[in-house]
Amino acid sequence: NAGVMQNPRHLVRRRGQEARLRCSPMKGHSHVYWYRQLPEEGLKFMVYLQKENIIDESGMPKERFSAEFPKEGPSILRIQQVVRGDSAAYFCASSPPSTTNTEAFFGQGTRLTVV
Amino acid sequence: GQNIDQPTEMTATEGAIVQINCTYQTSGFNGLFWYQQHAGEAPTFLSYNVLDGLEEKGRFSSFLSRSKGYSYLLLKELQMKDSASYLCDVADRGSTLGRLYFGRGTQLTVWP
Repeated sequence: NAGVMQNPRHLVRRRGQEARLRCSPMKGHSHVYWYRQLPEEGLKFMVYLQKENIIDESGMPKERFSAEFPKEGPSILRIQQVVRGDSAAYFCASSPPSTTNTEAFFGQGTRLTVV
Repeated sequence: GQNIDQPTEMTATEGAIVQINCTYQTSGFNGLFWYQQHAGEAPTFLSYNVLDGLEEKGRFSSFLSRSKGYSYLLLKELQMKDSASYLCDVADRGSTLGRLYFGRGTQLTVWP
């Protein structure tokens, strides 16, 4: 059972370009979470998705950022017109459908560098 | 709002015991997690507390007091490989996992 898969591991974009980050959850997991980690800082919640639904996007910047988790395929975090401040590690986590809390399993992250 | 506080840095020597404290203020509470994160790597799960008291798992133990909004992670018989960031994380929702609120992490350095 493969873990949470994120790709690419490293992504370099010029200012103004678009960045697409992909996350495939663990098999059987239907909940996906995206977090951003700036250098020397903690993980910051961005968005929580279930298949075809955005459940909570309160941590997403209002502009340029969007996320989806289609019925088929990975979850995508899209950043349009990237700026230097978007440079960070973006982690995806997944968890199974559950009525009780359970741990989230994290991917290895995508390190975005905007030049 | 949500607020989670941890010390920024701690140091200890091999073989010692270290306690990392975490205080939290969240609008809801449905469990507290501790994660370990080595530099450049993904966080990995260490422990989960939802009821008051101590949970022991090998060299690691975690304690929770809900009335005080307080938890600690206790690491015994420290090893060099325990040098990492330790993240305190609170789940604020009931029926689903909900958002996880992470503290900034405590960077632990273990010296020989």
